[in-house]
Amino acid sequence: EIVLTQSPATLSLSPGERATLSCRASQSVSSYLAWYQHKPGQAPRLLIYDASSRATGIPARFSGSGSGTDFTLTISSLEPEDFAVYYCQQRSNWPPGSFGQGTKLEIK
Amino acid sequence: EVQLLESGGGLVQPGGSLRLSCAASGFTFSSYAMSWVRQAPGKGLEWVSTISASNGANTYYADSVKGRFTISRDNSKNTLFLQMNSLRGEDTAVYYCAKDRRYSTSSGNFDYWGQGTLVTVSS
Repeated sequence: EIVLTQSPATLSLSPGERATLSCRASQSVSSYLAWYQHKPGQAPRLLIYDASSRATGIPARFSGSGSGTDFTLTISSLEPEDFAVYYCQQRSNWPPGSFGQGTKLEIK
Repeated sequence: EVQLLESGGGLVQPGGSLRLSCAASGFTFSSYAMSWVRQAPGKGLEWVSTISASNGANTYYADSVKGRFTISRDNSKNTLFLQMNSLRGEDTAVYYCAKDRRYSTSSGNFDYWGQGTLVTVSS
């Protein structure tokens, strides 16, 4: 089983700041890593797939990088609507895939 | 516009059964693999099950639900189902229906999700 560990658990930042979220896999997942945004009471939203490809309609301020076991989601300049929980997900051994435990991005 | 609307959640006793539905619109339903993903209270996302596109010949399940849950699809009605039997307390969660990102073959990434339906297993 591939375990994804996200850090930090909570990130407190202000609008306009840069956010850097990390996801580490227990073994290599190549580039098969995705990022989702999830707000309470809403449907999760695919942001990034295959480590660095932005999904349809996702603003350019969201970017992904990494390969193997270490991945990063960067939000270049936070907008008020970006505060949410972010999950990474791997599909290297699909099925099953697995999700990380999430990083909560909160307003400072 | 892609829309996914889940229904069928509710309160059920341990050992009971429930059938979830997901009505899809805005895309060619039969051409995409579909999945169920759940979120237990205060927890993260957990993949539950996936069914292949077209005739749904291939189905996949998380170990935690294998043998108890059955995924199916009715392409004539653009609807996805999840039959849940022998329910346990740990199955309590919001269940999301999700569309695969890739046409025809399952990628394991989900580009559209529903709003979810709450399943509570309790006596």
